[in-house]
Amino acid sequence: GENVEQHPSTLSVQEGDSAVIKCTYSDSASNYFPWYKQELGKGPQLIIDIRSNVGEKKDQRIAVTLNKTAKHFSLHITETQPEDSAVYLCAASHRQWGKLIFGQGTTLQVKP
Amino acid sequence: DTAVSQTPKYLVTQMGNDKSIKCEQNLGHDTMYWYKQDSKKFLKIMFSYNNKELIINETVPNRFSPKSPDKAHLNLHINSLELGDSAVYFCASSQDLGQGGLGMMQPQHFGDGTRLSIL
Repeated sequence: GENVEQHPSTLSVQEGDSAVIKCTYSDSASNYFPWYKQELGKGPQLIIDIRSNVGEKKDQRIAVTLNKTAKHFSLHITETQPEDSAVYLCAASHRQWGKLIFGQGTTLQVKP
Repeated sequence: DTAVSQTPKYLVTQMGNDKSIKCEQNLGHDTMYWYKQDSKKFLKIMFSYNNKELIINETVPNRFSPKSPDKAHLNLHINSLELGDSAVYFCASSQDLGQGGLGMMQPQHFGDGTRLSIL
């Protein structure tokens, strides 16, 4: 069935370093790829998304890249800060309208 | 102003009981969802409603029954609770399903979840 693989499951970086999280999807019909940040006790918060007609999108320290041929997309966070520490979830749209398939999540720890 | 709000935030109950979780969104969205997040943080869709009509039902046991009295509300009722139902349940909403126009899927906005614990 359709699935999204996310790696790594945990990531620890020093403050100021960059962090990269990668996701691979299986459904060739997927055309929308959001990234969510989930803090402890909170719901997922959309931080950036990309559509299949675009290869890269940036928003300040956050960027997402998409490789449709290889069916993978990545989240890049530059100049990480302790407040970036959270669980990050990637997702890919399913051919069934409105359905998102989520990856397993990455716990990011930014050490001061 | 909370965009997607769920109540209660915590729900502790005995196996076999029946319970409900309520969700309301003030974004004017047409589509609402219920997700289940397990202890490993894996998030999986359960249901979606568009304009009060059931769109997605992801092989969820029929003990789970969503109800949408209007576009702004989607409640989840669970009968005969089992130990395996322990999880965090999230409500979400989006502008629509994205099936119109260019067929662009719309961003989904999540509530802060309801942690259900079955004793």
